[in-house]
Amino acid sequence: DVKVTQSSRYLVKRTGEKVFLECVQDMDHENMFWYRQDPGLGLRLIYFSYDVKMKEKGDIPEGYSVSREKKERFSLILESASTNQTSMYLCASSLSGRDEQYFGPGTRLTVT
Amino acid sequence: AQKVTQAQTEISVVEKEDVTLDCVYETRDTTYYLFWYKQPPSGELVFLIRRNSFDEQNEISGRYSWNFQKSTSSFNFTITASQVVDSAVYFCALILTDSWGKFQFGAGTQVVVTP
Repeated sequence: DVKVTQSSRYLVKRTGEKVFLECVQDMDHENMFWYRQDPGLGLRLIYFSYDVKMKEKGDIPEGYSVSREKKERFSLILESASTNQTSMYLCASSLSGRDEQYFGPGTRLTVT
Repeated sequence: AQKVTQAQTEISVVEKEDVTLDCVYETRDTTYYLFWYKQPPSGELVFLIRRNSFDEQNEISGRYSWNFQKSTSSFNFTITASQVVDSAVYFCALILTDSWGKFQFGAGTQVVVTP
């Protein structure tokens, strides 16, 4: 069974903290993605990676960075968390950049 | 720029009723892929279907069916004889053939099926 796992289901952080969200996939997929999901806005792409150490900005990269040192792991970093980054964060992976994506269960981040 | 619109925010039905979810997309490109995903209360999106722009055949999979109409830029999804397990948020998504990784999702439609 294919699997995308995320390090936490729920996370509470304070404004200004550095936050790491981790995602691991076991499908040997080249492509990995980070989205945020907000009510009424659907899923918005933050960053994606098409290979180790390679990344592309999505629609809303401001305030975020990413790291992909190994094929199976893709990290999302909030350098200095702000309250407007309170959201559900979803990680996904896919074989190619146009194939169906496999999603993790999400991390609900609250920044206070 | 491309855009996906799911105008229905929430649809409530009673079990065994049919429900149709609308998806309208905008793109100037002629080659693209369309997707539907289901997000149950557990939160994990599940892939349902991918359709490329050259294939306008309708598709049926069990109680699910999809109606792709290029002329109206729509890719609608129907659940026949709905069940409580169909309660979820459903997302439509689009990616251009020459656009690697940049998926555009709609806002989602919440389907509530009551017994």
